[in-house]
Amino acid sequence: GQNIDQPTEMTATEGAIVQINCTYQTSGFNGLFWYQQHAGEAPTFLSYNVLDGLEEKGRFSSFLSRSKGYSYLLLKELQMKDSASYLCAVRDVWAGDYKLSFGAGTTVTVRA
Amino acid sequence: SQTIHQWPATLVQPVGSPLSLECTVEGTSNPNLYWYRQAAGRGLQLLFYSVGIGQISSEVPQNLSASRPQDRQFILSSKKLLLSDSGFYLCAWSVVGKEGRDNWGNEQFFGPGTRLTVL
Repeated sequence: GQNIDQPTEMTATEGAIVQINCTYQTSGFNGLFWYQQHAGEAPTFLSYNVLDGLEEKGRFSSFLSRSKGYSYLLLKELQMKDSASYLCAVRDVWAGDYKLSFGAGTTVTVRA
Repeated sequence: SQTIHQWPATLVQPVGSPLSLECTVEGTSNPNLYWYRQAAGRGLQLLFYSVGIGQISSEVPQNLSASRPQDRQFILSSKKLLLSDSGFYLCAWSVVGKEGRDNWGNEQFFGPGTRLTVL
């Protein structure tokens, strides 16, 4: 299986920036996904990286370095509604193109 | 547009009772379908996935089973629930065979979930 590590919790102030790191180990990397999950709700897709570099989508950006087995999700101009758990997930071609392995999630708390 | 439904939304069942959770997808054909469980404060654990009608792959040996009687219907079942079966059950679907740097990275779309409490 894949080892996916991300911090358990992070706290930041409204309007600030927070960076959530994710490291992974996989034999056949084939894409990394970030999901947002509000308490009691289903995860929703945020971003997808398969090549090295930065993908930007409004206030959210995701970065990937395949050689380092590393990704981060950058949340800018934090809003209270950004308080949620953020899940890093990796697809491994040897595990089957259809399957994602999820990290335990990082709970981000945004304070006023 | 595609939508995914799950029911029931919440369920409280006694230990030893049977279970049937249903998931249906609308607006797409031949999706990959998945069942996950999320225990309190834990990550998503893949239980089953299916790439076609009648095709089920099990990820974790347990007292649960899955079936796909129709293209867009996925059912999670148990004959006898255990306390450890409590959790948040999520169904998800993905598109087959699309790749790229845009939104079609075979990301999975999740249903609203079923919160199961086994007492």
